[in-house]
Amino acid sequence: GQNIDQPTEMTATEGAIVQINCTYQTSGFNGLFWYQQHAGEAPTFLSYNVLDGLEEKGRFSSFLSRSKGYSYLLLKELQMKDSASYLCAVAPGDYKLSFGAGTTVTVRA
Amino acid sequence: IAGITQAPTSQILAAGRRMTLRCTQDMRHNAMYWYRQDLGLGLRLIHYSNTAGTTGKGEVPDGYSVSRANTDDFPLTLASAVPSQTSVYFCASSAKAGEGDTQYFGPGTRLTVL
Repeated sequence: GQNIDQPTEMTATEGAIVQINCTYQTSGFNGLFWYQQHAGEAPTFLSYNVLDGLEEKGRFSSFLSRSKGYSYLLLKELQMKDSASYLCAVAPGDYKLSFGAGTTVTVRA
Repeated sequence: IAGITQAPTSQILAAGRRMTLRCTQDMRHNAMYWYRQDLGLGLRLIHYSNTAGTTGKGEVPDGYSVSRANTDDFPLTLASAVPSQTSVYFCASSAKAGEGDTQYFGPGTRLTVL
């Protein structure tokens, strides 16, 4: 099976930076996705990495190291609306996605 | 508005009853998926369809069946519901069944089996 690990919970202060790590051991690798999910809502797409390096999109950045089986999602200038769960998902090469259990981020004033 | 719709929004069901969760997308996406989401376990794939007329089993298919008669609709059926099927069910779609294709999710169905 696929193994995708991320921390269960993180707390940070408004305006700060938080880094959510994701490590994976999968049968193959064809890219890594990050999704955001607010409580009671559907997951929404944030980013996709297939090559090593950093991808920046406004306040959110995602990094990938394929040799280390490691990714992180960086949230800068945190806002209260960033309080949500962040899901790491790997495409292992069978045309499906395998998801981690998600990291719940709480932003405090 | 383009996207994915699911029905019902929520449902309480007696054990042993049959239930069909509906999913419709208007994006003309080829691939569709059904997931269940349980606390602490994340999203787990139940069944998927790479294109109309084909379906496949995911990680947790037992107790569920699907059909894909056309591009837009992908219903999920619980033939005889059990309490362990209490969960939030999400339908998703992607333009094609390719590795880099983003999956877009419907709003979910919250199902309680008593």
